Amino acid sequence: GQQVMQIPQYQHVQEGEDFTTYCNSSTTLSNIQWYKQRPGGHPVFLIQLVKSGEVKKQKRLTFQFGEAKKNSSLHITATQTTDVGTYFCAGSGRSGGGADGLTFGKGTHLIIQP
Amino acid sequence: SQTIHQWPATLVQPVGSPLSLECTVEGTSNPNLYWYRQAAGRGLQLLFYSVGIGQISSEVPQNLSASRPQDRQFILSSKKLLLSDSGFYLCAWSLTGGVTEAFFGQGTRLTVV
Repeated sequence: GQQVMQIPQYQHVQEGEDFTTYCNSSTTLSNIQWYKQRPGGHPVFLIQLVKSGEVKKQKRLTFQFGEAKKNSSLHITATQTTDVGTYFCAGSGRSGGGADGLTFGKGTHLIIQP
Repeated sequence: SQTIHQWPATLVQPVGSPLSLECTVEGTSNPNLYWYRQAAGRGLQLLFYSVGIGQISSEVPQNLSASRPQDRQFILSSKKLLLSDSGFYLCAWSLTGGVTEAFFGQGTRLTVV
C-alpha cells in the first residue's frame, strides 16, 4: 500500500532560525496536504498542493510539491514560538473520493528554543 | 459555518469495559466522516470512514467498531477495551467529491487502565 514517510521526526531550532520538514511517498500522489497540530490540540488544515512542481506560500511558510509528485516539503522562515507543533503531510493517490484516500506521515515535531 | 463536536475530551476506562465516543457535525449535509487514532510517534492512523448513513469501511482489523446512525453522527465503540486501545482518538469530516481537506474534532484522550 501507499506509504508516506516524513523526516525528521523531531527538530529543535532556536527562535529565528529556519525549519524544513520533508515528505516522501512510495507512489505518485495526485495531491498532498499539510496539517499543523499544536501541543494538546487537533490537526488543522494548512494547504493542499495538486500540480507537479507547485509552490505555495503562506506568510513565512513555503510549501513545495516535487516534479515527480512523490515528495513535498514545508519550509518555515525565521521561526517564532507560535510555530511550535507537529506538522503532518498527507498524500492521496486518488483524485476523488474524499479524505479516505489520505495517508498521513508520522509528522515532524517542531520544538523552538527562545 | 460548519462545526464538529467530539466528546468526551478525556476518558479513563478499565480494561474490559465498553467504549462509546460520539461525534457530530453541524452545518453541512452528507459529509464523509472518519475516525483516526493517534498514538505517540505513530502519526494518524485511519480506523474507519463513512460516506453515508449505515455505510462503514474499516481500514484496520481491531477491537473497535463504528456506526453512523444519522447523517451527521459518527460513533466509535468497543465491547471490551484492551490496554492497547489507549490513545488520542480524532473524529473528522470532509466534503464528498474530490480530495478535500479533513476538518478534525478536538479529540478524545483515552487511557485504558
